[in-house]
Amino acid sequence: AQTVTQSQPEMSVQEAETVTLSCTYDTSESNYYLFWYKQPPSRQMILVIRQEAYKQQNATENRFSVNFQKAAKSFSLKISDSQLGDTAMYFCAFLMNRDDKIIFGKGTRLHILP
Amino acid sequence: DVKVTQSSRYLVKRTGEKVFLECVQDMDHENMFWYRQDPGLGLRLIYFSYDVKMKEKGDIPEGYSVSREKKERFSLILESASTNQTSMYLCASSLTAWTGYGYTFGSGTRLTVV
Repeated sequence: AQTVTQSQPEMSVQEAETVTLSCTYDTSESNYYLFWYKQPPSRQMILVIRQEAYKQQNATENRFSVNFQKAAKSFSLKISDSQLGDTAMYFCAFLMNRDDKIIFGKGTRLHILP
Repeated sequence: DVKVTQSSRYLVKRTGEKVFLECVQDMDHENMFWYRQDPGLGLRLIYFSYDVKMKEKGDIPEGYSVSREKKERFSLILESASTNQTSMYLCASSLTAWTGYGYTFGSGTRLTVV
């Protein structure tokens, strides 16, 4: 069975700093998708970034980028120039190709301090 | 943008009541999901549906049932609410998971059973 592990339950950084959230996963599959979701205090889960496992190039979305290490089964999220609005719970998630169900990690609560 | 609407943001119910949580999506998505979110446990899949009148058990289906009579609507039913079902419930939909584009989430229903 696939698993997703987020080893940092909670983190705090100063505004404008760069922060990296860790995620590892376990699978024997070679084709899959990885996601980072953000859940702010408003509770609306928002897709931050998506990575296709067969693509070697790391995905980026503005200030958000990932470090995808397929052999190490690692998928970390880097937030550059952090802003107060980045304060949220962040979930790492895994989807096997041709499957229906996303598997989520337990989340990392990120606090951006003024 | 696809919108997933959960009918209630907050609900308070009594032990033993039958509870209906409603979810509607407006973009003709095939798949719909119900997750439960608890601190330290992340998101756990209760049930999902990949077509009208079709349903599949997730990881924690006990004490729950679902109904999907129309493609756009997916209801979660607590047959006899108990205090251990106090939680945040998230509904999500996806066109088809095979495309790997992830889910669109509703804004959640926080249910308290007293």
